[in-house]
Amino acid sequence: EAQVTQNPRYLITVTGKKLTVTCSQNMNHEYMSWYRQDPGLGLRQIYYSMNVEVTDKGDVPEGYKVSRKEKRNFPLILESPSPNQTSLYFCASSFLPIRNTEAFFGQGTRLTVV
Amino acid sequence: QKEVEQDPGPLSVPEGAIVSLNCTYSNSAFQYFMWYRQYSRKGPELLMYTYSSGNKEDGRFTAQVDKSSKYISLFIRDSQPSDSATYLCAMSAPQAGTALIFGKGTTLSVSS
Repeated sequence: EAQVTQNPRYLITVTGKKLTVTCSQNMNHEYMSWYRQDPGLGLRQIYYSMNVEVTDKGDVPEGYKVSRKEKRNFPLILESPSPNQTSLYFCASSFLPIRNTEAFFGQGTRLTVV
Repeated sequence: QKEVEQDPGPLSVPEGAIVSLNCTYSNSAFQYFMWYRQYSRKGPELLMYTYSSGNKEDGRFTAQVDKSSKYISLFIRDSQPSDSATYLCAMSAPQAGTALIFGKGTTLSVSS
């Protein structure tokens, strides 16, 4: 089954404690991205990756890092989480890197930073 | 003016009704237009994808794009309770790596 898998689904952490949210896709997609979803603000892109070792900032990259060492994995790293990073996070992947038109989304990770 | 505007609703309709969901946008560079459905506690799933202007039909769903008016619509015929979800419009320009720009979503409730 084609899918994008995120882990964990739920996470509560304290301010400043480094964390990583993993994302893996089994569709051999080149393009992967991370979004956050907040009430009243909708979905906003954090980072994206056109292929292995190629990453770039989206609209709201501050406080986040990513890496793309393998095609299937695209982890999101919060080096020093803060309460304003409390949000619902989605990883997405797409076959066509030129336009992210048919993105498959993961189930989401609900992060709470206290 | 925001790049993509979408009325958040909520929109409540009886089963069998025709539903019209809409988005307006300001960026004339947008060429790709999508509609996603998001159930509570789930990730968005792609419903319809249209390139440039025109209509596209898939079962009970019809997507329309009017680039001259910068207006897109999603019509749901014979709505069902299982259609109750949040519907997100999204669009992008053709440049490599360009992000999807999402509307904030319209919450739809279909009552039986």
